[in-house]
Amino acid sequence: SQQGEEDPQALSIQEGENATMNCSYKTSINNLQWYRQNSGRGLVHLILIRSNEREKHSGRLRVTLDTSKKSSSLLITASRAADTASYFCATGLRYQLIWGAGTKLIIKP
Amino acid sequence: EAGVVQSPRYKIIEKKQPVAFWCNPISGHNTLYWYRQNLGQGPELLIRYENEEAVDDSQLPKDRFSAERLKGVDSTLKIQPAELGDSAVYLCASNPPRHGGELFFGEGSRLTVL
Repeated sequence: SQQGEEDPQALSIQEGENATMNCSYKTSINNLQWYRQNSGRGLVHLILIRSNEREKHSGRLRVTLDTSKKSSSLLITASRAADTASYFCATGLRYQLIWGAGTKLIIKP
Repeated sequence: EAGVVQSPRYKIIEKKQPVAFWCNPISGHNTLYWYRQNLGQGPELLIRYENEEAVDDSQLPKDRFSAERLKGVDSTLKIQPAELGDSAVYLCASNPPRHGGELFFGEGSRLTVL
């Protein structure tokens, strides 16, 4: 079963613009993670935010978490062609990690 | 440091044939996961190992799927017999003991059943 739901399902923007994707979930969590998957490749961990954190930054990435609304957002600033990929959120509770269906991001040159 | 290694990367078989996938996790990672990812979907857990013990195999279709991790290092996932609906990417991931939660994934094994 998939707990996380990403929104939008697909996003196409111009290079240099910011990209925002959202994740909603249904139950309590210990942490929420974001991963990137390039076409035909494995998933790569981007950032983890714990349930007691509200915002976290890593380079051009900014993640927010609102546990009252059971939602998270991933912001990629100053997008590049290499950011073209699918982005997945995964919610963690103890040793379980439940995944959403992903947002497909296309950066147009 | 070498990452998670999976083989084969691609496999095409006829339905009812057997198939096996192999995974070698990162050295020192005692937790190993097998996931299945259908096209356009997120990964779905098939089985999780802590060392050589399968601690969560509730989502593994045990009538045709089996897995082993005999020495607590590398692992094999087998499907016998394969069905058309088994076409997917099979992902292996690992993480070290008492880790915060980040998973390290291999490149996956793409299975096509004809």
